This record gives sequence, C-alpha cells and structure tokens, in this order.
Amino acid sequence: DVVLTQTPPTLSATIGQSVSISCRSSQSLLHRNGNTYLNWLLQRPGQPPQLLIYLVSRLESGVPNRFSGSGSGTDFTLRIRGVEAEDLGVYYCVQSTHAPYTFGAGTKLELK
Amino acid sequence: QVQLQQSGTELVKPASSVKISCKASGYTFTSHYMHWIRLQPGNGLEWIGWIYPGNGNTKYNQKFDGKATLTTDRSSSTAYMQLTSLTSEDSAVYFCAGNYEGHWFAYWGQGTLVTVSS
Repeated sequence: DVVLTQTPPTLSATIGQSVSISCRSSQSLLHRNGNTYLNWLLQRPGQPPQLLIYLVSRLESGVPNRFSGSGSGTDFTLRIRGVEAEDLGVYYCVQSTHAPYTFGAGTKLELK
Repeated sequence: QVQLQQSGTELVKPASSVKISCKASGYTFTSHYMHWIRLQPGNGLEWIGWIYPGNGNTKYNQKFDGKATLTTDRSSSTAYMQLTSLTSEDSAVYFCAGNYEGHWFAYWGQGTLVTVSS
C-alpha cells in the first residue's frame, strides 16, 4: 500500500501567519492517464472532512484562495497564506492513484 | 445542493452485524462513485471501498474483504454498508463520501458512530 507521510504532525500558528504542510508518498502518484490523484482535506472539530484541493493544485469550489497546493511525483505541499481562525482543524492528504487509496496521518493546525 | 445524510449512532454487540445508510440528494446518484471511509482514534482515516451506483460495481480495500459489503438502492438514491462479525476493533466513525465530476471525495456524510460493546 502507498504510505503518505505528513509533516509536521502538529502546527502552531498565529492568525495571519503563513504555513505549509508536507505530504510525501512512498511511490509516485502519477497515474498512467497523466493525472496525479492527490487531494487535501480539512476536518474541523466535530465536522466531516471537507475537500480543499484536488489533483494536487486545483482549488475546490468555495474554498478561499489563501489555500494552495503544489508538488509532483512523491512530494506535495499545502500552503495557507494568512491563517484565519476558521482554518483550525486537522489536515489530511489522500491519494487515489493506487488502490487501496490511503490517507496521511494528519496535521493538526492549532492557534499559538 | 449536494447532501449525504447518514443513519444514526449504532451500539451493537460483538459478533453481530450492522447496516449503515447514506442517502444522497442534489446530484445524479447513479453517475458518481460512493466511498466508505473509517475514522478511528489512533488509526486515522482508512478507505474501505467504493461502489458505483450506476452498475453496482465495487472495489474494496483488501483489509476489509469479508468485513464490509457495499450496496445501493437506486430507487431511493441510498448507499449502504453492512459490517459483519463485529468486534471492539470495528468501533469507529464511518463516513460515506462521494466523487463528483472528477473531484474525488468531494462530498461527505456527517458520519455514523458505531460502538461495539457487550
């Protein structure tokens, strides 16, 4: 199975600070069809996960553009430019290139 | 507006079975994959499998072979997951999550808490 390693496990930030989360895969996530199926999710406390970014860098409809995703192959990054209070929660990367689909262990974003 | 409405909390006994539902609205149910995902403290999120309601095709995580069975009722736009031979290790929150137009895991149900206890 593909292992997704997320770092850091915990991130403390102040409002307005910019932060990054890394997601590294144990194998390339480039599908033979040319797409890279790496998404980012946010789970706020008491809520189901919410899709933020799909196909590495595409912003889901309704998601603020302070969120951005980048990367290729095995290395991916989620950036938040100017953290807001509503951004607090646990961020997960998830790959659906190789079955079984797998999730990173999560990065908890909290207020400093 | 797309909504996935899951059935409520379940408290079940060891060795029994449970069937969780996920009713979809706001989109064409038969045209998009529906996933089931488990969230356990300490184990994070795990993908159980998907079903394609249009033809009933399924794909499972081998880890859940024999544990989970995915079905749908197209007449009511509802997806189901049955879990069998339950043990305490199956206690978790279970989510349904739908794809939409190439956006994998775009929509999520609110989650169903399953507690296995005697």
